[in-house]
Amino acid sequence: NAGVTQTPKFRVLKTGQSMTLLCAQDMNHEYMYWYRQDPGMGLRLIHYSVGEGTTAKGEVPDGYNVSRLKKQNFLLGLESAAPSQTSVYFCASSRGADTQYFGPGTRLTVL
Amino acid sequence: KQEVTQIPAALSVPEGENLVLNCSFTDSAIYNLQWFRQDPGKGLTSLLLIQSSQREQTSGRLNASLDKSSGRSTLYIAASQPGDSATYLCAVRPVSTGGGNKLTFGTGTQLKVEL
Repeated sequence: NAGVTQTPKFRVLKTGQSMTLLCAQDMNHEYMYWYRQDPGMGLRLIHYSVGEGTTAKGEVPDGYNVSRLKKQNFLLGLESAAPSQTSVYFCASSRGADTQYFGPGTRLTVL
Repeated sequence: KQEVTQIPAALSVPEGENLVLNCSFTDSAIYNLQWFRQDPGKGLTSLLLIQSSQREQTSGRLNASLDKSSGRSTLYIAASQPGDSATYLCAVRPVSTGGGNKLTFGTGTQLKVEL
């Protein structure tokens, strides 16, 4: 099992550019999540999904969109990147209310 | 709004020492509390999950306790080793989160175990 994988690992964008972060899990988990981690702020939930075809907003959803077209994949999109979106992004998955399993992260810099 | 605090932010101890990491939360209405470990440049790894009805959980040299009424949890690490050096994060699942298994994280304690 690969667990939770994230693509890409690193990315540098210019302000206004768009990109999509891909998260994949092979554990057949229903729930998936996108977090961002910033120094001194802890992890904050951006969006989450409780099943294929469903998404919901987390604590800091502005500027991001998500899609869950397949159970194993959860995509995070930035339509017009801003320097405030410079962060490390983590994807996670879980079987319901059980332990969340995290991916290795994507380090994004917006210039 | 649930807030999770971890003090101290950083801790350095000599190898072999037993140590305690602290986590406090403002709202005692939680489903569970988890402790995670994060190595530099890596994702989070779950160490222990304590349900709200439990008082403690143990895994190897790790023991986590939960006092829901006082809003506190501790992670006890016995006989610390240099390989224990990492950031330890505490997270709670509040009852009032609606759908989804949403967690509120603390900012972590960065532990360094020195030879």
